[in-house]
Parts: sequence; structure tokens; C-alpha cells
Amino acid sequence: GAGVSQTPSNKVTEKGKYVELRCDPISGHTALYWYRQSLGQGPEFLIYFQGTGAADDSGLPNDRFFAVRPEGSVSTLKIQRTERGDSAVYLCASSLMASSGEQFFGPGTRLTVL
Amino acid sequence: AQKITQTQPGMFVQEKEAVTLDCTYDTSDPSYGLFWYKQPSSGEMIFLIYQGSYDQQNATEGRYSLNFQKARKSANLVISASQLGDSAMYFCAILGSEKLVFGKGTKLTVNP
Repeated sequence: GAGVSQTPSNKVTEKGKYVELRCDPISGHTALYWYRQSLGQGPEFLIYFQGTGAADDSGLPNDRFFAVRPEGSVSTLKIQRTERGDSAVYLCASSLMASSGEQFFGPGTRLTVL
Repeated sequence: AQKITQTQPGMFVQEKEAVTLDCTYDTSDPSYGLFWYKQPSSGEMIFLIYQGSYDQQNATEGRYSLNFQKARKSANLVISASQLGDSAMYFCAILGSEKLVFGKGTKLTVNP
């Protein structure tokens, strides 16, 4: 398909473990975004990339969260020492450019920390 | 900082009728964009409609239209001729500093 893909679709882990969530954006989209959606809430911004660099990481809740996009395409969101409060759906989106407006979302990864 | 307020946690509408979902926003940016997304139970965010702050006319996309009142800072979504498949969560969002800020959403239920 030509849309944004995310893997895994579901991830269950234990408190204290390390997890990686992957996002594959639409081909040719230079901007990539990570959002987190807790139950009953709207998505909340975490970080966005323009190309390979993190243009704005102001939404990352603390230093346990880190994201990379080494080749300007696929991105990985990394969470160290997971906590139960990290349980949420992690959404990835991409757009042609950061200023182009419409962001296309992937299906999300549901993370559950036991 | 930008903020979106959606005051309707849930709305009900009869099939084939029109429904309006409310959205008010707050921003200090002179130029901004407003979006509506639909999120069915499957979880994916589906783009519905966009309104630019300098657009003179209200945006329309098929059965969706955006009632943009800039002075009141409101951007209500109107869905005409509701269908059962319209049952979902609806989120209003504002684009500021290249990132979307979302409201808490409105759950729409279309009754047969």
C-alpha cells in the first residue's frame, strides 16, 4: 500500500523494558511526526522530523523517549525503562513538507506496559 | 500556544439528517490551518477537511463542510445526510509551528 505503515500493531511489554516502534512514511514525504493518544484523549504531539533531523522534540515527555530517522525515511521511536503510564496508542504521520499542512496518519501501535 | 476546545463529548443524529460538531480554537499566530479528522473504532485517523485562516470561503468536501467564523474563533464541522458509517470519533485540530494540536474529540453516533 501507499499509506503510512507502523509496526508492530500491538506491543505488550513489562515495566522497565525497552521498546522500539517503527514508522514507514509515505514515499517522498519529507516530514514525519509522532503523536501519542491516551484513552479518551486526542493525539498529543511528541516529535517531528524534517528530513533526517528532529526539527521539534518539545513534546517528548522525558529523556526515556528518543526518536531517530537516520536516512530521512523510516523512523523509530524508542522508549527506555517503560512505565505503566507509557501505555497508549502511538501514531505516526507524514506530510510532503512540514509546512504543507495535511498530515497522513498510520494505523498506530498500541503499547501496553504491564 | 494553540488550543482546541470541543465541548460535545457525544452527539447523536438520525440517519440522513445533518449534524454540527463544535470546535473553538485559540492561537496567537496570524496564519494557521484548521483540520477535522475522523477516527473510527479501527483507530486510524482519516483526514476530512481543511480550512486556512486566510481562506475567504468555507471549505467543503462532499458531505462535509466547515463553518469557519474567524472573529468567534470557531470552526464547526457540518456533516450532511448522515450515514451509519459516519459513527466515529471526530477531532478538530489546529496546525501551529508545523505540528497539530488536537481537541479531545466528539463521539458521533448515527442512529438508523
